[in-house]
Amino acid sequence: GAVVSQHPSRVICKSGTSVKIECRSLDFQATTMFWYRQFPKKSLMLMATSNEGSKATYEQGVEKDKFLINHASLTLSTLTVTSAHPEDSSFYICSASSQYNEQFFGPGTRLTVL
Amino acid sequence: GDSVTQMEGPVTLSEEAFLTINCTYTATGYPSLFWYVQYPGEGLQLLLKATKADDKGSNKGFEATYRKETTSFHLEKGSVQVSDSAVYFCALTGISSGSARQLTFGSGTQLTVLP
Repeated sequence: GAVVSQHPSRVICKSGTSVKIECRSLDFQATTMFWYRQFPKKSLMLMATSNEGSKATYEQGVEKDKFLINHASLTLSTLTVTSAHPEDSSFYICSASSQYNEQFFGPGTRLTVL
Repeated sequence: GDSVTQMEGPVTLSEEAFLTINCTYTATGYPSLFWYVQYPGEGLQLLLKATKADDKGSNKGFEATYRKETTSFHLEKGSVQVSDSAVYFCALTGISSGSARQLTFGSGTQLTVLP
C-alpha cells in the first residue's frame, strides 16, 4: 500500500516554543491531507483537512492560529503548533488521500511540552 | 451527524480464543465502513472495509459484515494470536461527515491476547 511518513516521531519542547511536524506521502500524490489528534485511550479527533494549494479547513473548536497547517505540495503537509503549552501534549497523526479516496495514515508524532 | 459506537474495552483473551468487537453506526445515506488497527507506538493501518450492504470485508483472518438492517459492522476472528494485540477502531465515511472522504472514528477497543 501507499506509504505516509511523519517527522519527527517524537519531540519534546519547552512551553512557549513552536514545533513543526511534517507529513509526507512517499509514493503517491496526496490531493488531501488530514491531521488528527489522539488523546491517551481515546479515539482520533479530526483537527483539520487540507487540500494542496488551499487554506486548511479546521474543525469546530480547533484554534487556527495555534495549529498552523500548510499543504504546499502534493506530497507534503506541515502542522506547526505555535506557542506550545503542556495541554498540547498529545499524539498527532496525519493521513493522506489520493484521488481514489482511501486514507493512508502516518506513524504519528508524540509531542511532549514541558 | 454521523457517529460510530464501539464496544468498550479493554478486551483480554487467551490465544486461539474467538474474538468479537461490536460496532454500530449512525449515518445518513450509504456510508462505507472500515476497521483500522493501531499497534503500540504506531499509526493506523486499514484492516478491512466494506462499501455496501451485505458486503463482507476480510483480512488476516478478521471478518466484518456490513449489516444495514442493524446498522452494524462487528469485527470477528475465529482464533486470535498474541500478535493481534492492538487497538481496533471502527470508522465510516459518509457524505454527511462534511466530505465524502472524511472518516468518523469510534472510540477504539484495546485487545490484549495472552499466550
